[in-house]
Amino acid sequence: QKEVEQDPGPLSVPEGAIVSLNCTYSNSAFQYFMWYRQYSRKGPELLMYTYSSGNKEDGRFTAQVDKSSKYISLFIRDSQPSDSATYLCAMAYIQGAQKLVFGQGTRLTINP
Amino acid sequence: DADVTQTPRNRITKTGKRIMLECSQTKGHDRMYWYRQDPGLGLRLIYYSFDVKDINKGEISDGYSVSRQAQAKFSLSLESAIPNQTALYFCATRAPSNEQFFGPGTRLTVL
Repeated sequence: QKEVEQDPGPLSVPEGAIVSLNCTYSNSAFQYFMWYRQYSRKGPELLMYTYSSGNKEDGRFTAQVDKSSKYISLFIRDSQPSDSATYLCAMAYIQGAQKLVFGQGTRLTINP
Repeated sequence: DADVTQTPRNRITKTGKRIMLECSQTKGHDRMYWYRQDPGLGLRLIYYSFDVKDINKGEISDGYSVSRQAQAKFSLSLESAIPNQTALYFCATRAPSNEQFFGPGTRLTVL
């Protein structure tokens, strides 16, 4: 079993829809959670970073962490075609951890 | 200017050839990483380094080697390239806060 599971998609939704992207993890020792966005032919870039259970908002993006269920989500409101990308979740055990553990990535397409 | 740069951006080579991928960074981070990305497999860690004297193997280091020439430079070598090393390769740095900064990637094709 992988430490971090993420549905690879692809996921296709109409413009303006609310998008929900999810990851589950098996190790309760993970404390830091990140979402990266990767456009085609580009490197991943950090989108959201959180280390506590609950919600964190940044504009149209909300990161949600449920440590009791070992489940994290990224919500995108009022989705735009420019949000079309691959979204990767990543986790770390501690701040300054040696390595991040990445999910497979979910490929998202927003249709105009 | 990009904070993490990679050269070359694209490379086509033949089986058995030695290949070096180079990475430079201006972020001042001590930690540097090499990943490969394959469809359906996500990002997999090849090697990582915390400083010029500290090199560590990742989960898929076989067939690869690295050199940390300076704090700002971290190179990945394929000693004898094989077709299943065809992939997208990313260099990354790591801030103490865990945030990882990726380069633009090198698309490598081994024929």
